[in-house]
Amino acid sequence: EPEVTQTPSHQVTQMGQEVILRCVPISNHLYFYWYRQILGQKVEFLVSFYNNEISEKSEIFDDQFSVERPDGSNFTLKIRSTKLEDSAMYFCASSVEREGKDTQYFGPGTRLTVL
Amino acid sequence: AQSVTQLGSHVSVSEGALVLLRCNYSSSVPPYLFWYVQYPNQGLQLLLKYTTGATLVKGINGFEAEFKKSETSFHLTKPSAHMSDAAEYFCAVKKAAGNKLTFGGGTRVLVKP
Repeated sequence: EPEVTQTPSHQVTQMGQEVILRCVPISNHLYFYWYRQILGQKVEFLVSFYNNEISEKSEIFDDQFSVERPDGSNFTLKIRSTKLEDSAMYFCASSVEREGKDTQYFGPGTRLTVL
Repeated sequence: AQSVTQLGSHVSVSEGALVLLRCNYSSSVPPYLFWYVQYPNQGLQLLLKYTTGATLVKGINGFEAEFKKSETSFHLTKPSAHMSDAAEYFCAVKKAAGNKLTFGGGTRVLVKP
């Protein structure tokens, strides 16, 4: 069964450094998402992406964050200058369609630790 | 704005006993409703979803959930717990026209032998 994959599984970085989290969505999916979960808190929506554009973003997704689909398979989340509060589990997801009833399929997550 | 409340961050059940996980939502319009499960070191896996039609929805691994509009609830049940059901369960909602999932806080299920 096709799966969303994410690399790395764990990333440790120093505050102020740039990090890129990578995701490979399911191959025939057209919509891509990033969510995050700070330890002990809810899973939160960050951004959705379609046709090489951001279609929706949350207030968390400020200028420090960016997303890109650099080729036909990868979908990346970049944090330009990490802060301690960016430490979280970051989940990538993808779906075939945008409609509300469509299922989003999640990857296993990347645990980001900012020191 | 939508919100989701899951009553109980931890639930302990005996193997063979009923599993009941509660989910209530607030939304200005009836949303689409989802239950996801997360096993250790894995991603979120869809258990079941309600979009339209029959309000009792059956999912994988013997789970089912019932959408009750009057109670704004979407509780998850399984008649007989198995050790393999130990995981964290997340309720989520999405607007019909939107693509953003709003999650509840999650309920971690422990199954005792």
